[in-house]
Amino acid sequence: DSGVTQTPKHLITATGQRVTLRCSPRSGDLSVYWYQQSLDQGLQFLIQYYNGEERAKGNILERFSAQQFPDLHSELNLSSLELGDSALYFCASSGSGTWNTGELFFGEGSRLTVL
Amino acid sequence: TQLLEQSPQFLSIQEGENLTVYCNSSSVFSSLQWYRQEPGEGPVLLVTVVTGGEVKKLKRLTFQFGDARKDSSLHITAAQPGDTGLYLCAGPMNYGGSQGNLIFGKGTKLSVKP
Repeated sequence: DSGVTQTPKHLITATGQRVTLRCSPRSGDLSVYWYQQSLDQGLQFLIQYYNGEERAKGNILERFSAQQFPDLHSELNLSSLELGDSALYFCASSGSGTWNTGELFFGEGSRLTVL
Repeated sequence: TQLLEQSPQFLSIQEGENLTVYCNSSSVFSSLQWYRQEPGEGPVLLVTVVTGGEVKKLKRLTFQFGDARKDSSLHITAAQPGDTGLYLCAGPMNYGGSQGNLIFGKGTKLSVKP
């Protein structure tokens, strides 16, 4: 158990819809990262938040947005969903700020299926 | 563009065999990490290598970082069914940047049969 909690574990929805994925980081971790894992692209970094502020952006689509709340949990919002958005979405947390050298702790992921 | 290429993509072996998987790039990385991911779970960090030429051992797993910091290998001795999983290498998106903003290879899917 990594200590990172993600909900829901599975989500099936239709094209054009909007979903919200939730992540609770490990106790005390200030940084939250979102990753997308698909069969063809592998694991891709989407976005990082540190103590409520956006710190870095990766390959995140404009239809996607995220935020980190004062209690440090984070949400990833996916809108105008397309078939190609079907993937595993992972949240990870770490204990330091931007220049950390520690490990990432990944949650079990949220599997999104867009029909 | 930084890319990490892993080979082989799939590997199926018998218990007790040795194996090596590779992670290569044309870019220099300040460090590389190896993760293992099992079905239904998130990746779990195995090791971080930081110094060119560095060798780290974790029980039957031996990790090496290339001298030029562009490649890494993972060698497993006497593989066991419990070693089955997806092995991913990863490195910071920007040289010397945050360890959390990672580029991942597509992984080597290892199956060890009893």
